Formats: sequence, structure tokens, C-alpha cells
Amino acid sequence: DQQVKQNSPSLSVQEGRISILNCDYTNSMFDYFLWYKKYPAEGPTFLISISSIKDKNEDGRFTVFLNKSAKHLSLHIVPSQPGDSAVYFCAARQAYGSGNTGKLIFGQGTTLQVKP
Amino acid sequence: EPEVTQTPSHQVTQMGQEVILRCVPISNHLYFYWYRQILGQKVEFLVSFYNNEISEKSEIFDDQFSVERPDGSNFTLKIRSTKLEDSAMYFCASSGAIRGWRPLHFGNGTRLTVT
Repeated sequence: DQQVKQNSPSLSVQEGRISILNCDYTNSMFDYFLWYKKYPAEGPTFLISISSIKDKNEDGRFTVFLNKSAKHLSLHIVPSQPGDSAVYFCAARQAYGSGNTGKLIFGQGTTLQVKP
Repeated sequence: EPEVTQTPSHQVTQMGQEVILRCVPISNHLYFYWYRQILGQKVEFLVSFYNNEISEKSEIFDDQFSVERPDGSNFTLKIRSTKLEDSAMYFCASSGAIRGWRPLHFGNGTRLTVT
């Protein structure tokens, strides 16, 4: 039951260029979407989120876009830096209620490599 | 910045043994979670815990698993009789709110190896 999918297992970009990571979902009941970043031997670190009622949220070099009709979201990193190299997880939160407790459902992750 | 801490960082155990994974969530958080990640796979939800009881659990969280908040600070995951397939990274997470918006904060995980 893959409610959240990241179809690209890896992405390689040049330093200074834009990185675009994609995520698709199937459940219309998600109320928040998040991106987490994970370095080896560490836990996922929250990066940026977007409410399902918005279509864009920006925080510094990071922007998340949400296309509800396509059930698609993307994370843009501009400009990309070598320190951004990590695994990026897309996650979606089921709206609280009806037995749901706000848990996150994660995609499989995309490994981003930013080359100097 | 406050953080979620997990101990031990690595636990090796033999099949059939009991293990307890420990977590100290962020102090003013009320909602607690366990997730796991089998090598090369996605991060999977195991259980959520609020007000001293399980709020929701996944199909993975069978009778071999239990959680407890024995005091005001610790949150533990116990696996009663470990199997080889329990080998994974186990992440604890906590959140300050559900109805409002607060992201989950994760610990650095415990790598469980069952031999």
C-alpha cells in the first residue's frame, strides 16, 4: 500500500544548480506534506512542510510546491550546495480523527548528490 | 535546540531474545511514535502513543511488540522474542501537537541487529 511514492531513487546535480525532488501520493485525506532530510547514522530531520490548502511554501533555499489535482508535490533547492547531499524523504500526514492519530507516511526516499 | 535521544545506538541480540529500545522525547511533547527502517526500505510507522496509551498501531506492531512510558521522561519499545526480520533502524519521534501543526522530531535511531 504505497500511499506516498518517490519514483526517483537518486538524483545528481551540480553545485549552484537547482535540485528538484518529486513525490506523488494517492490519499486525498492527507492534510500536511513534509520533507525530511536524512544523513547516514542520523534520524530524519524536518526540512519544510506545506498544508494541503496551500500550493507553495518557501523557506530560504527550499521551496515546496503542491499540486492537489495531480496529487503531486516537489521540493526545489536553489542553489544546491554540497552539504545538501543526503537522502530526502517525502512524508504525508493523515488528518487527525476517524482513528487517525496524525502519523506520517513516508516515501522511499531520494538520494541527492550535489557535486562541487 | 531540544532533541529526541535514543539509546543504545546499536544493539546486537540473538534470535528469540527480548530487547528494549529506549527514547527520551522532547520534554514538553505529548505525542510519541516509533518507526522503523529496514535497510534499503522506507521508514515505516509502528505505533503512536498519547496520554499513556496506544493511539494507533500498524500491522507490523503485533503481540511481540509493546511500548511503555514508565516515568515522565522515557518512552520504550520492547520486542519480546526477536526474529531475524526485526533487524532494522528503529526511530523514536515526538510531537507537541496533532490538531495544530507541529512536525515530528526524530531521534538518531537504534540499529537493531538480530543474529
